Order: sequence, then C-alpha cells, then structure tokens
Amino acid sequence: GENVEQHPSTLSVQEGDSAVIKCTYSDSASNYFPWYKQELGKRPQLIIDIRSNVGEKKDQRIAVTLNKTAKHFSLHITETQPEDSAVYFCAAPEAGGSYIPTFGRGTSLIVHP
Amino acid sequence: NAGVTQTPKFRVLKTGQSMTLLCAQDMNHEYMYWYRQDPGMGLRLIHYSVGEGTTAKGEVPDGYNVSRLKKQNFLLGLESAAPSQTSVYFCTSSLTGWTVSWDLHFGNGTRLTVT
Repeated sequence: GENVEQHPSTLSVQEGDSAVIKCTYSDSASNYFPWYKQELGKRPQLIIDIRSNVGEKKDQRIAVTLNKTAKHFSLHITETQPEDSAVYFCAAPEAGGSYIPTFGRGTSLIVHP
Repeated sequence: NAGVTQTPKFRVLKTGQSMTLLCAQDMNHEYMYWYRQDPGMGLRLIHYSVGEGTTAKGEVPDGYNVSRLKKQNFLLGLESAAPSQTSVYFCTSSLTGWTVSWDLHFGNGTRLTVT
C-alpha cells in the first residue's frame, strides 16, 4: 500500500553481516508494527512486532526499532545466516484510522555463505 | 484445528473463464481478508469482511467479487478472468480488527494462472 514504504527492495549480504530493512508509514495514530518473513513458496509468518509504547524489541538475532516522531520502524538482523534468506514484509494500519493491515512491497534478503 | 484453509492450491484458467476461491477458518475469527501477491508489489488487499454478511473493497477490488454468507467462509470470485489476474492469492483472518495486534493467520495461498 502507498501509506507504507519499505526499503530496500533487495539486500544482499555475506553470512555473519547485519541486515537492516526500513519502513515508513503515514498515519501518526498507528501503534502496532509487525514484520513478516516469507520463504519461497510459503505463506508469510510473523517474526516480530512492536507497539508504540516501546522504542525497541529484541528476539535473539532479530530486533525492531520504532521512531514515532519520524514515523518509521526498522528490522535488524544480526549475524545473518543463509536460512535468513527470504522476503521480509512490514505492515501498518491503512491510513485514515482503519484497522486494515497494509503491507510494504517487501525486501528480498539474500545471505551468501 | 486447521487454521485457515484455502482451496484450490493451484489453478489454470483461460481468459474469460470464471472461478471461485474458497477460504475457510475454524478459529471463530470475525475479520477475513483476501490479498493478492505479485513480484515487487507486496501484498495488496482485494476485499475484506469484518463479520458475517459484510464485505468491503480494498485497494484492488476491480474484477473480483466476494461473499461472506457464513462466518467461517470467505469466497473470492472471478467472473471473467483476465491475464492481469495471474497472481498468488492469500486469505488471512484475525479475531477482531486491529486493536492491540492483528494476530493475522494466513492460508497457504492459491497460485492462479490465467492464459
């Protein structure tokens, strides 16, 4: 959706490097921000999410940070492994105060062994 | 407990043919959504429903119709298929609309090719 912009569209890293994917959103009232991972031929799976009352959340090698002032949130993957290769999507509520999920266009992450 | 089940998994249509994609959930979810996924375009919302008997248009509704006659089922219809409707279709559901989190449950997808 146009109210959620995701960058970059592709990201290629060496195993062990860090990867960062950023999303910006338009509705300042948004307060829930999930990230999904989609492996080839499979459905998206929720990997981490954050609510607006916190600035950062970690789960092992992945973390999400939120900057409500700038209206952007980022996915951070440290010590990348080949199995991290997938397409990653962010999501935010559709602009206008609805409860409808709008997804970014996705980032194809390739981790080279 | 099967979660969200989509049928069929694959389908090939000729231009002008019609078909219905079925989404069924056994979690008593109120909200159901149909998205299409195309390379580089992410997941775009086609139609959604906030409860039995209700439907609403999403971002890309043209060429599609939907029905939610029963709470557990959300049908997506293509009356006259076009090559532009070649895509992977995902059905998702959530208990309610987003308040604290969506807790979206995805089906496995339907890969549709229109020739």
